Amino acid sequence: GAVVSQHPSRVICKSGTSVKIECRSLDFQATTMFWYRQFPKQSLMLMATSNEGSKATYEQGVEKDKFLINHASLTLSTLTVTSAHPEDSSFYICSAREIGGGGQPQHFGDGTRLSIL
Amino acid sequence: AQSVTQPDIHITVSEGASLELRCNYSYGATPYLFWYVQSPGQGLQLLLKYFSGDTLVQGIKGFEAEFKRSQSSFNLRKPSVHWSDAAEYFCAVGGGSQGNLIFGKGTKLSVKP
Repeated sequence: GAVVSQHPSRVICKSGTSVKIECRSLDFQATTMFWYRQFPKQSLMLMATSNEGSKATYEQGVEKDKFLINHASLTLSTLTVTSAHPEDSSFYICSAREIGGGGQPQHFGDGTRLSIL
Repeated sequence: AQSVTQPDIHITVSEGASLELRCNYSYGATPYLFWYVQSPGQGLQLLLKYFSGDTLVQGIKGFEAEFKRSQSSFNLRKPSVHWSDAAEYFCAVGGGSQGNLIFGKGTKLSVKP
């Protein structure tokens, strides 16, 4: 149980393109989803926290107009990287947290490798 | 300040040997503690979690971890390592209504045949 599907797994595109990444909780409902960015050989950096039906909360230094997050349902959140540039190339990982108390774990997708040429 | 420290960046053990990965945390309230494992190019898989109760928690793949409040530690252990355990391991502490996690920098485990 607690499966999170992230799609696509890999994207290669030209500079200036907008890229949408989907994160779905397949067998549970998630009021809260998280988007992380991971640089090579580093830990995860939280970009934003997404709550169903409300605006996402972005971490300091993350441009909300650059990284658009939509959490339209209890099982789907999307991250759109707008007008992507080579410096946006990274590994993006989403997670979803089951409905419940503060101790509910986050379950992670398999990540999206984004390469901007 | 809330933080998680994994003092070992890289550990190499022989297959069949025992393993202990260290994790220390700083957290203002009662922490929820987690260990995750990440294989190259993939997301994170939850190994185990501690909320309350018994301080020795069992996880998947034969892993266990012990919460020691006096030492602010949550070390991960496995009695006999398999080659398939080679991966990056992350300790995390969380809490609050949103359940945000603070991750350590990770420990890379290599397994020698």
